[in-house]
Parts: sequence; C-alpha cells; structure tokens
Amino acid sequence: DSGVTQTPKHLITATGQRVTLRCSPRSGDLSVYWYQQSLDQGLQFLIHYYNGEERAKGNILERFSAQQFPDLHSELNLSSLELGDSALYFCASSALAELSDTQYFGPGTRLTVL
Amino acid sequence: GQNIDQPTEMTATEGAIVQINCTYQTSGFNGLFWYQQHAGEAPTFLSYNVLDGLEEKGRFSSFLSRSKGYSYLLLKELQMKDSASYLCAVRIYNFNKFYFGSGTKLNVKP
Repeated sequence: DSGVTQTPKHLITATGQRVTLRCSPRSGDLSVYWYQQSLDQGLQFLIHYYNGEERAKGNILERFSAQQFPDLHSELNLSSLELGDSALYFCASSALAELSDTQYFGPGTRLTVL
Repeated sequence: GQNIDQPTEMTATEGAIVQINCTYQTSGFNGLFWYQQHAGEAPTFLSYNVLDGLEEKGRFSSFLSRSKGYSYLLLKELQMKDSASYLCAVRIYNFNKFYFGSGTKLNVKP
C-alpha cells in the first residue's frame, strides 16, 4: 500500500459525459501527478501540481482539467468523453517537487467509456 | 521530441540474472527512473539515477550513462514474483515532465 488513495476504483460512463476522478496523496506529500495508461499509448504523463499550483503539463487534452485543493487532494476532470478516453488513470504523489523525489502511485481508476 | 526505447518482452529463468535495457533521446535530461508494474496494478518505484554509474539496491541495480543515453536495470536471483513489466522513465529538467518507455514485459520461468 503506497498510501495514495484514488476514488472511484472503477467508472463506467457514456460518450459525451463528464467525470471527476479523485486522488488523496500520501500524508505530508505536496506534489500530485496524474497519468493515463492505455493499451496502445502506454503510460502518459498528464499534469503535475505542487502545493496547489500547476507545475508542469504533459499530454493533457483540452477536454481534461485538474486542480489541487488546499488540503492537497487533487481532482482530474474529464469532459466530452470519447471512447478513446477509456484507460487506467493513476495519480502519484511525492514529498516535494525535487528532482530526486520518488513518486508513489495510487491504485488507479479504471475508466470505461461506452 | 522525446524518445525512449525498451525491448518489448524478455524471458529468463528463476535464479538467473537478467538485464533490461533502456535507451533515450531527450532534451534537458535530468534523471531516469525504473518502475515495476504487475498486470492490473500501479507502478512501484525501483530506482533513480541522475549521475553516471551503478546504483545497487538489494537484488536490483540500475546503471546510467548520460553520454550514451543508456540505462539498464539488472535483476539478480530472479524469482517468479519478478514477472512484471518494467518501465523506464525520464524526467526533463525545468519542465518537471516525465516520459515513460512502453515497458518491458519480463517472464520468469521455473
């Protein structure tokens, strides 16, 4: 158990809908990262937040957005869902945003878009 | 762009040693990570290299050569539970972005 929690574990929805995925980092960690893992794309970095502020953006679509709240939990919002958005979404946390920080991954949310 | 290459799949025997290679072409390299991921589970951190050389951690070691854009993960005394995918990831300096290789699926046979 990494100490990172994600809810829900599974999510099934329809195209065009909007969903919110939630992540609680390990106690004391200030950084949260979001990743998408699909069969054809592998693991893709989406976005990084540190202490409430966006620090880096990766391959995140405009239909997706994220935020980190004052209590440091984070939410990833996915809208206008398409079939191709079906994937495993991981969040990870690290203590700070230093170069050597280890990232600890949550168990993931499996999103299925029908 | 960023390019990270790993072999797709490898097979090794229990008790043996296996080396999983990762080559990368990135701008602004600042750190290489190895993760283990069992099917259907989250990745778990194995090692981090930012300077050239070998980092040893129990049965696992990781090597980095920045000039060659090359890293390897060495697994000794293989166990059946080591059957998993091994992901190489590169961090880009100043942007704090991560790029993952497609992973190497390791099959450990008795």
